[in-house]
Amino acid sequence: DAGVTQSPTHLIKTRGQQVTLRCSPKSGHDTVSWYQQALGQGPQFIFQYYEEEERQRGNFPDRFSGHQFPNYSSELNVNALLLGDSALYLCASSSGLLQETQYFGPGTRLLVL
Amino acid sequence: SQKIEQNSEALNIQEGKTATLTCNYTNYSPAYLQWYRQDPGRGPVFLLLIRENEKEKRKERLKVTFDTTLKQSLFHITASQPADSATYLCALDMESQGNLIFGKGTKLSVKP
Repeated sequence: DAGVTQSPTHLIKTRGQQVTLRCSPKSGHDTVSWYQQALGQGPQFIFQYYEEEERQRGNFPDRFSGHQFPNYSSELNVNALLLGDSALYLCASSSGLLQETQYFGPGTRLLVL
Repeated sequence: SQKIEQNSEALNIQEGKTATLTCNYTNYSPAYLQWYRQDPGRGPVFLLLIRENEKEKRKERLKVTFDTTLKQSLFHITASQPADSATYLCALDMESQGNLIFGKGTKLSVKP
């Protein structure tokens, strides 16, 4: 049973560029949440997708957008990249309307130069 | 303002001892609190969840307590081993909908 997978593992971009990160949830899970983790900090909630719609959003600007596909996989898009967007981006999947245990992927390490 | 704090950035203990990690929060009323383990360059791994109406939860060598009056959770690892060395994160969920609010984590080092 595959766990949560994310691609790519590492990415280097320059300021102003756009990036798309991908996530496949654990088998049987229908909800995907995205988190940003800066170095030395805990993960910060970006948004959550359920039934192909954004259900909750954290305190992140509109430059951060996402999508969920019918097979429950998800994408995170970041436009107009800033140096401060450099971080580990984590995807977590869970099941059902009652969201308790979340399973995290290995993350995508994004470096913005 | 709302805050979640894990009291120690780093904790060093001897193998075999009990590690105790602290998570304090202010101006939150969480539905439940979770503890995760994170190894360098990896995603967090779920360890334990405790609900607001529960005082204590155990799983093998792990024990979590939750005091909603003190707004504090304690996480214990008994008979610690070098393999327990990692960063441990506490996370609050306000509405049982998966919007987790994480602390910065405590880096635990267990020396042989």
